[in-house]
Amino acid sequence: DTAVSQTPKYLVTQMGNDKSIKCEQNLGHDTMYWYKQDSKKFLKIMFSYNNKELIINETVPNRFSPKSPDKAHLNLHINSLELGDSAVYFCASSPHLAESYNEQFFGPGTRLTVL
Amino acid sequence: AQSVAQPEDQVNVAEGNPLTVKCTYSVSGNPYLFWYVQYPNRGLQFLLKYITGDNLVKGSYGFEAEFNKSQTSFHLKKPSALVSDSALYFCAVRGPNDYKLSFGAGTTVTVRA
Repeated sequence: DTAVSQTPKYLVTQMGNDKSIKCEQNLGHDTMYWYKQDSKKFLKIMFSYNNKELIINETVPNRFSPKSPDKAHLNLHINSLELGDSAVYFCASSPHLAESYNEQFFGPGTRLTVL
Repeated sequence: AQSVAQPEDQVNVAEGNPLTVKCTYSVSGNPYLFWYVQYPNRGLQFLLKYITGDNLVKGSYGFEAEFNKSQTSFHLKKPSALVSDSALYFCAVRGPNDYKLSFGAGTTVTVRA
């Protein structure tokens, strides 16, 4: 069973389009995250939700909007896609945000290419 | 603010030789330190972590790491590297009162046969 899954795995789209990436975890964790990995492999936190509540909202353009319908799902919607949005987006989860000692479990990633 | 430095972009070793990937950190309070590995076109996999206690931490696939508080380091080691250890390795730190996990820039390890 896949612990953290993301769909789609690959996403190729034109500039200006709107797209969504979905994430689901079956680990029973309270906290979920979105990370962006750029072409140089730098990993940067974008958002974190704990029990459907937004906790971390880094300096991310308003075009990015996370949505957590329940604690097992965290989706990422991106409006008006730009070339610079091309990256690999990783979803992750951990048992509880306040438990800093817990490792995070990562999904396989979604490679977004904006043409 | 917390931060992690991985001073080497690349580490190349021969199979069977010891492997070391360096990491230093900066954080307020006692750190929680993690190592992750990323194989090509895959997500990050957790290798090991330091929370408290014994400075030598053992993890998956024969890896271990040594926490050194005075040098603020958490170097990853493997006594005998395998070709299959070739991957991108990330060190990460989180402070006890921080919600964010801060990652280093990553170190690409290549193990040649």
